[in-house]
Amino acid sequence: DVKVTQSSRYLVKRTGEKVFLECVQDMDHENMFWYRQDPGLGLRLIYFSYDVKMKEKGDIPEGYSVSREKKERFSLILESASTNQTSMYLCASSSRRRIVLNQPQHFGDGTRLSIL
Amino acid sequence: KQEVTQIPAALSVPEGENLVLNCSFTDSAIYNLQWFRQDPGKGLTSLLLIQSSQREQTSGRLNASLDKSSGRSTLYIAASQPGDSATYLCASNTGGFKTIFGAGTRLFVKA
Repeated sequence: DVKVTQSSRYLVKRTGEKVFLECVQDMDHENMFWYRQDPGLGLRLIYFSYDVKMKEKGDIPEGYSVSREKKERFSLILESASTNQTSMYLCASSSRRRIVLNQPQHFGDGTRLSIL
Repeated sequence: KQEVTQIPAALSVPEGENLVLNCSFTDSAIYNLQWFRQDPGKGLTSLLLIQSSQREQTSGRLNASLDKSSGRSTLYIAASQPGDSATYLCASNTGGFKTIFGAGTRLFVKA
């Protein structure tokens, strides 16, 4: 079974802090994604990566950056946390062959981040 | 730009009832459509994925249909149980890396 593990389930930080959210997958997936989920808005893509050291902006990248130094790990960084970044953050991974073979994305359990 | 809408936002049914959850999308040129389940405070679990060439997929008591021409997908749940209570999300992929999600339907099945 695919396992996507997010380092923290709950996190409380202060405005202006630099925040790191970590995600690790164990299925050798090429693609990894970071989403945020807010009530009534669904999931919105922040960044994704299709290979080590590769990254692409999603729909709402402002205020975030990412790092993919190893294939299994994808980190989301809030450079200077603000209260409007309080949200549920979800990491997902998928096989590069997903596009051809219609394989689904696999999600972690999420990190509920509160910025005070 | 693809938009995915799910109506209603919330639904409450008695145990044993058959029910249908609706998903509509604006761009019919989808590659696949996926249904997920999300339990409170948890991540998403994939339930069914329908490829663009397919009309439906079934898994146990779940049946998902796809009608690209009308921009609609439905998730049918037979003989609902309290354990089915969760939020159900649909998501469309138009062939690239981006998947567009609906906001979800929160289902509550009363015992």
